[in-house]
Amino acid sequence: DQQVKQNSPSLSVQEGRISILNCDYTNSMFDYFLWYKKYPAEGPTFLISISSIKDKNEDGRFTVFLNKSAKHLSLHIVPSQPGDSAVYFCAATPGGYQKVTFGTGTKLQVIP
Amino acid sequence: EPEVTQTPSHQVTQMGQEVILRCVPISNHLYFYWYRQILGQKVEFLVSFYNNEISEKSEIFDDQFSVERPDGSNFTLKIRSTKLEDSAMYFCASSEAGQGSTGELFFGEGSRLTVL
Repeated sequence: DQQVKQNSPSLSVQEGRISILNCDYTNSMFDYFLWYKKYPAEGPTFLISISSIKDKNEDGRFTVFLNKSAKHLSLHIVPSQPGDSAVYFCAATPGGYQKVTFGTGTKLQVIP
Repeated sequence: EPEVTQTPSHQVTQMGQEVILRCVPISNHLYFYWYRQILGQKVEFLVSFYNNEISEKSEIFDDQFSVERPDGSNFTLKIRSTKLEDSAMYFCASSEAGQGSTGELFFGEGSRLTVL
């Protein structure tokens, strides 16, 4: 039951260029969408989120876009830096302290 | 910066043995969670805990699993009789009121469980 899907297991981008990570979801009950970043041997770290009433949220180099009609969200990183190399998990929740459902992750490699 | 700490970092056990994984959540957080990640797969929800009781659990969290907050600081996950398929990285997470309602969780570094 893959309610949150990340179809690209990996992505390579040159330093300074834009990284675009994509995510699709199926559950219409999700109200909040999040991106978590994970380095090897560490736990996931919250990066940025968006609520279902918005279509864009920006935090520095990171922007998340939400297209509710297509049940699709994306994370843009501009400009990409080598330190951004990590696994990025898309996640979603109905809110109200209900469980957070994660995607399978996309491994981003930023090449210097 | 406050953090969630987990012990042990790695535990190897024989099938059928009991295992207890320990977590110290961030001190002012009220909501506690266990997730796990089998190698190469997605991070899966196991259980959430609030006000000294389970608030939600997944189908994975069967009778072999239990959670406890034995004192004011620790949060434990017990697996009564481990199976080979329990081998995974187990992540503890906590959240405070407000942030947790929108899915913002603070994770520990994980405890790797290997069942032989």
